Amino acid sequence: SQTIHQWPATLVQPVGSPLSLECTVEGTSNPNLYWYRQAAGRGLQLLFYSVGIGQISSEVPQNLSASRPQDRQFILSSKKLLLSDSGFYLCASRGDTEAFFGQGTRLTVV
Amino acid sequence: DQQVKQNSPSLSVQEGRISILNCDYTNSMFDYFLWYKKYPAEGPTFLISISSIKDKNEDGRFTVFLNKSAKHLSLHIVPSQPGDSAVYFCAASAASSGSARQLTFGSGTQLTVLP
Repeated sequence: SQTIHQWPATLVQPVGSPLSLECTVEGTSNPNLYWYRQAAGRGLQLLFYSVGIGQISSEVPQNLSASRPQDRQFILSSKKLLLSDSGFYLCASRGDTEAFFGQGTRLTVV
Repeated sequence: DQQVKQNSPSLSVQEGRISILNCDYTNSMFDYFLWYKKYPAEGPTFLISISSIKDKNEDGRFTVFLNKSAKHLSLHIVPSQPGDSAVYFCAASAASSGSARQLTFGSGTQLTVLP
């Protein structure tokens, strides 16, 4: 099965600061990769997905961006964080059936 | 527009009894359904799935039922154990999404199994 490495586990950032969350995948090649956000008391909202290197699709308009510089690397970024960017961010990789998730990053924007 | 809905935000069950978690969907193109379990501050872990060509799938204490005509699925856990206490997410995907194969998640149900 796949293993998703995601870091950091927790992050506290001031409003207006940049963001970079990194995700790497082991155990597969050419996976579909996803960034989800879970806001407090809410479900998992799909932010971005990528079907290959350099291919990014955005599901919702927002203050964030994503990049896929390598086959098994997916990065979530922001140039200037907003308070509303606080949440629990999850990277996922999907094979033929189920998706595998990383441990998540708790981002608090203060 | 929520395409996957879990209308019960929480559920409490006595240890040893059956837990039934429900999920409804609106997109008739969904053809694959999954249940995930999530502990606080961790990523979701896959539990069980079902394809739209089946109406039941069983794995140990976990059984998922699919009623396509009602666009409804449920997860049964029997017997429930305290370690089952977690948030359970229902998810769905459609072959029509092509290579993207996105999963659409419900809002989750917090299951608490009381000893």
